[in-house]
Amino acid sequence: EDQVTQSPEALRLQEGESSSLNCSYTVSGLRGLFWYRQDPGKGPEFLFTLYSAGEEKEKERLKATLTKKESFLHITAPKPEDSATYLCAVQGAKYNTDKLIFGTGTRLQVFP
Amino acid sequence: NAGVTQTPKFRILKIGQSMTLQCAQDMNHNYMYWYRQDPGMGLKLIYYSVGAGITDKGEVPNGYNVSRSTTEDFPLRLELAAPSQTSVYFCACSGTSGNTIYFGEGSWLTVV
Repeated sequence: EDQVTQSPEALRLQEGESSSLNCSYTVSGLRGLFWYRQDPGKGPEFLFTLYSAGEEKEKERLKATLTKKESFLHITAPKPEDSATYLCAVQGAKYNTDKLIFGTGTRLQVFP
Repeated sequence: NAGVTQTPKFRILKIGQSMTLQCAQDMNHNYMYWYRQDPGMGLKLIYYSVGAGITDKGEVPNGYNVSRSTTEDFPLRLELAAPSQTSVYFCACSGTSGNTIYFGEGSWLTVV
């Protein structure tokens, strides 16, 4: 069964304190791994798609990496505006559509 | 370009009532989805559609119905509302297989 596990559930950082969020997955034939950001009261906002092991993508202070079993979202020198819940999701080959299997998210708080 | 628009934003229903959550997209995407998000849980797929006239069940379809008469609209119908349907509902769309899924802002539903 396709499954996504994110850790930690919650993370508190001081502004400028770099860290990483983990997304472990089990899927039959990975078609894509997605990272989303979700602010309170809002819908998930797309950040990155990774398709194969070894792939990396960057956007401002965020960098996503992918291995055959997990993905990391590295946050470098975070700012308070990076506070949000970060969601990881996978698409498996067993589906012929773009259905996503989501993890429960990591709630990040960055303090000044 | 509004993307994915959901209405209403908030709604309180009494047990046994019925209602329709509206979703419209102006991105000309073929695929559309309905997810629900419960506290501490990952987003779960309710129903999806690969094009006008075609719909299929997701992970948690019981108690819901959908229709897709046009490319733009994908309403979600709740029949005989139950407290277990208290949740946040997200509509989403994507262009083709493997493409990014874009989410609406969400509809908060409480069943009392």
